[in-house]
Amino acid sequence: AQSVTQPDIHITVSEGASLELRCNYSYGATPYLFWYVQSPGQGLQLLLKYFSGDTLVQGIKGFEAEFKRSQSSFNLRKPSVHWSDAAEYFCAVAVPRGAAGNKLTFGGGTRVLVKP
Amino acid sequence: DTAVSQTPKYLVTQMGNDKSIKCEQNLGHDTMYWYKQDSKKFLKIMFSYNNKELIINETVPNRFSPKSPDKAHLNLHINSLELGDSAVYFCASSPIGGSSYNEQFFGPGTRLTVL
Repeated sequence: AQSVTQPDIHITVSEGASLELRCNYSYGATPYLFWYVQSPGQGLQLLLKYFSGDTLVQGIKGFEAEFKRSQSSFNLRKPSVHWSDAAEYFCAVAVPRGAAGNKLTFGGGTRVLVKP
Repeated sequence: DTAVSQTPKYLVTQMGNDKSIKCEQNLGHDTMYWYKQDSKKFLKIMFSYNNKELIINETVPNRFSPKSPDKAHLNLHINSLELGDSAVYFCASSPIGGSSYNEQFFGPGTRLTVL
C-alpha cells in the first residue's frame, strides 16, 4: 500500500522569504501526486498535481512542485511567501484503480506560520 | 454556485446519540467520498461510492453507515456516537474515468464534537 510522509510538522517563515515543504512517498511505481492547502477552518483546495510528463509543475497562488523519482519526493516550493499563505499543507498520493475507485492517501500535513 | 456542500458545518452532540451529515455535489460527478480528519489533522478515507454503489470501505466501525440516495448525494449516518468520533468530516467528489485518476473536489467540512 502507498504511504506519504511529510517530515516537517511545523515551519515558520518570514513574509517575503522562500518556502519549501517536503514530501516523500512510498509506492512501487509512480503514483499520482498532489498538494492541497487547508486554510484555518476551511476545506481542502488543490494547489497542484503531477500525473506524468514535466517533473516541475506549476500550481495556483505561485506554488510549484518538483517530482524526483530517484528520491521518491514531491516537494512544494514558493519563492516569496505572503501572510495569506499561512495554512496547513497536505501532500497526497493516489493510485488509479479504475472501477475500484480512486483513493487519496494523505501525509500528516505541515503547518506553515508566516512571520511579518 | 457551491460545488460540494455539506450540512451542517458544525455539529455538537452527546455520546450515544445518532446523527447524520449530508453531502451534495452539483458537478455531475459519479463518485463521492467521505474522509475523516482527526484532531492531529490526519486525513483518511472512509468510504467511496460510485453511482450509488459502495466501492471503497476502509476499516471503519459499522456504526458509520454511508447512504447514497442518488449520485449527487452521499450522506453519513453515525450511530451511538463516541468521544473518538469527534473530528472534521470531509465529503469529496470526482468524475469516473476508467484507468485514469480524476481530481477530487472537497466540501468545506463538518466539525463534529461529541461531548
